[in-house]
Parts: sequence; structure tokens; C-alpha cells
Amino acid sequence: DVVMTQTPLSLSVTPGQPASISCKSSQSLLHSDGKTYLYWYLQKPGQSPQVLIYEGSNRFSGVPDNFSGSGSGTDFTLKISRVEAEDVGVYYCMQSIQLPYSFGQGTKLEIK
Amino acid sequence: EVQLVESGGGLVQPGGSLRLSCAASGFTFSSNWMHWVRQAPGKGLVWVSRINSDGRSTNYADSVKGRFTISRDNAKNTLYLQMNSLRAEDTAVYYCAREYYGSGSYVVDYWGQGTLVTVSS
Repeated sequence: DVVMTQTPLSLSVTPGQPASISCKSSQSLLHSDGKTYLYWYLQKPGQSPQVLIYEGSNRFSGVPDNFSGSGSGTDFTLKISRVEAEDVGVYYCMQSIQLPYSFGQGTKLEIK
Repeated sequence: EVQLVESGGGLVQPGGSLRLSCAASGFTFSSNWMHWVRQAPGKGLVWVSRINSDGRSTNYADSVKGRFTISRDNAKNTLYLQMNSLRAEDTAVYYCAREYYGSGSYVVDYWGQGTLVTVSS
């Protein structure tokens, strides 16, 4: 199984400041079709998860452009250029290159 | 508007059974793969099962294989999860989610609000 490891597990950020979350996979997420099967989700308090980034670096429809995803192979990063109060919640990375799909442990973002 | 609405959760004794449903609307249900993902109280997300668009191909996490069965009724736009031999560790909020394929990309994009399953005596 592919193990996903996120760091840090918690993050406290002042509004307007940037934030960065790392996600490392135990196997490469680059498929032979050329796509990278790495996704980022945000689960806001009391809500179901919502997709932010797909295939490593593509912003999903409606996601603000202050969210960006980067990385390749086994190392990935989610960056928020300027954190806002509405960004609080738990961020998860997920891989879908191999069954079972697997998630990172989650990174809890709070506002200072 | 894409909507996924789960139902069927509740309190069940260890060893018991429960069937979850997920009613889909706002999209062509029969064209999409569907998933169940669960989240134990205060814990992270765990993938449970997947079914292809016509229901002929299914996959399961090892932790539920042989006990859970995923199915779908495309005429009723509904996804199911039959859960048998339930254990305390199956206690979780169960989410159904759509895997959308478009423009050459797969994305697990829309999730339901979840239904809570509690296994306890």
C-alpha cells in the first residue's frame, strides 16, 4: 500500500501570511500515462472534504488562486500564499495511483 | 447542482448489519465511478470501497473485505454499502463521493455530508 506522510500535523498562521504543507508518498505517484495522481482536500470544521488541487498542481474549479500545488514523484507541497480566516480546517493529501486510495494524516490549520 | 445525500446510519450492535444509501442528483450518475470513505470520530479519512460506473467492478480496503459490499442502482441514481459483521472499529462517519472523469483527468470531487455509524453494545 502507498503510505502518505504529511508535515506538519498542525499549523498556526497569522492572517495574510503564507502557509505550506508537505506530503510525501512511499511510492512515486507518476503514472505511465504522464499524470501524477496526487490530490489535496480541505475539510472545514463540521463539513465534508472539498477538493482543492488535482493531479498535483491543477486548481479545481472555484478554488481561489492563492492555493497552489507543486511537486513530483514522491514529494509534494500545498501552498497558501495569504492565509485567510476561511482557510481553517484540516488539509489532506490523497493518492489514487494505486488501490487502496490513501490519505495523509491531515494537517490542521488554525489562525493566530 | 451535484448532490450526494447519505442515509441509513445509526447505532448497531457488534456483529450486526446496516445498509447505507447515497442518493445522487445533478449529474449523470451512471457515468461515474463512486466511492465510500469513512472517518472515525476525531480521526482522518480512510478509503473504504469503489465501484465502477456499471457496477461490475468493485474494490475494497482489506479492513472491510468480505464484510462490506458496495453496489449501485443506476436506474435509481443510488449507491449502497451493505455492512455485515460490524465491529467497534467500523464506527465512523461514512461519506459517499463521486469520481469524475473529464478532459482526461480523474478527480474525486463531490462528497456527501456523511452518515454516522456507531457500533456498540
